[in-house]
Amino acid sequence: DAGVIQSPRHEVTEMGQEVTLRCKPISGHDYLFWYRQTMMRGLELLIYFNNNVPIDDSGMPEDRFSAKMPNASFSTLKIQPSEPRDSAVYFCASSLTSGSSNEQFFGPGTRLTVL
Amino acid sequence: SQQGEEDPQALSIQEGENATMNCSYKTSINNLQWYRQNSGRGLVHLILIRSNEREKHSGRLRVTLDTSKKSSSLLITASRAADTASYFCAPAAVDSSYKLIFGSGTRLLVRP
Repeated sequence: DAGVIQSPRHEVTEMGQEVTLRCKPISGHDYLFWYRQTMMRGLELLIYFNNNVPIDDSGMPEDRFSAKMPNASFSTLKIQPSEPRDSAVYFCASSLTSGSSNEQFFGPGTRLTVL
Repeated sequence: SQQGEEDPQALSIQEGENATMNCSYKTSINNLQWYRQNSGRGLVHLILIRSNEREKHSGRLRVTLDTSKKSSSLLITASRAADTASYFCAPAAVDSSYKLIFGSGTRLLVRP
């Protein structure tokens, strides 16, 4: 398996523009997580899905952020409009329900810079 | 809080020495996991210890868990320069096992 795939790897955009980050989880995994990492706030859980259904979006910072999972193999995180303070590395991770093990597999991340 | 808190925040050791990192948490857990993050990369799962286990080994890694003190430690023996990374603990709470809240991590530097 190729692991969790994220695209793009780097994104530079101007304030006010819409940004869409993409994630393909590991095939067969039923949980998908979106995280944001900055020096100031560390690694924050934004939202997670189970079987394509959003379970907890309490970490989504504002209404400018939205996430979807239209099918088991694809998820998007959208920021509209983007602001400079959204600059961060965004990680997607997936895991498989298996007894008491909930190991998460992380993608390489998308480094977002909002000018 | 479900979040794990790692201690120390930073650790610098010589290659060949052992590195010990600690984690404290506040909730009841099903398991506790340790992850490593190399600079600019995603986190990589290292080891999982269940709440009914007290110690677990994986190669040069040794993890202990004390549920009465709500604490865990990660020991890396015979460290190598390649072990330089940030290390995070993630307690999996009983009421939300599939959600992991990461702390700020321990930044380990292994000097050649």
